[in-house]
Amino acid sequence: AQTVTQSQPEMSVQEAETVTLSCTYDTSENNYYLFWYKQPPSRQMILVIRQEAYKQQNATENRFSVNFQKAAKSFSLKISDSQLGDTAMYFCAFRGGSEKLVFGKGTKLTVNP
Amino acid sequence: NAGVTQTPKFQVLKTGQSMTLQCAQDMNHEYMSWYRQDPGMGLRLIHYSVGAGITDQGEVPNGYNVSRSTTEDFPLRLLSAAPSQTSVYFCASSYSVLAGGPSLNEQFFGPGTRLTVL
Repeated sequence: AQTVTQSQPEMSVQEAETVTLSCTYDTSENNYYLFWYKQPPSRQMILVIRQEAYKQQNATENRFSVNFQKAAKSFSLKISDSQLGDTAMYFCAFRGGSEKLVFGKGTKLTVNP
Repeated sequence: NAGVTQTPKFQVLKTGQSMTLQCAQDMNHEYMSWYRQDPGMGLRLIHYSVGAGITDQGEVPNGYNVSRSTTEDFPLRLLSAAPSQTSVYFCASSYSVLAGGPSLNEQFFGPGTRLTVL
């Protein structure tokens, strides 16, 4: 079974600075998809960014980018120019051939003014 | 589009009571799923469905029942509530790759239901 590990339960960053959230996963599949979801205090789950495993190019969405290292099974999220609205729980998730989404336990990010 | 809707938003039950959490989506998604979120545990899959009439168990299915009679609806039933089922429940939907949908598709989540079992 696939597992997703987020080793940083909590992190903090100053406004306007850059922060990187770590995620590693374990799978024997070759074709799969990786996602980062954001959950602000409103509880709504919001997709931040997604990556296809067969694409070597790292995905980027505005201030959010990933560092995808397939051989190392690592999928970290970099947030540039952090904003107060980035304060949230961040979940890394894996989807393989079964279509089931497997989540990590999350990282609570606090952006300080 | 309303997206994924869940009712109720909050619910308090007594041990042994039964109830149904409702979930509906208007995006014609084949794949629907239920998760529970507990502090420090992330989201764990309870049950899922890849289409009307097809359901399967996820990681933590005990104590829960589901059915999928239509594409739009995917209710979650608690047969005899226990305090261990106190949690936040999320329903989600997406296109199904197995049904020919796009491969890099995201799951859309409902707003969640906070359930307390006393």
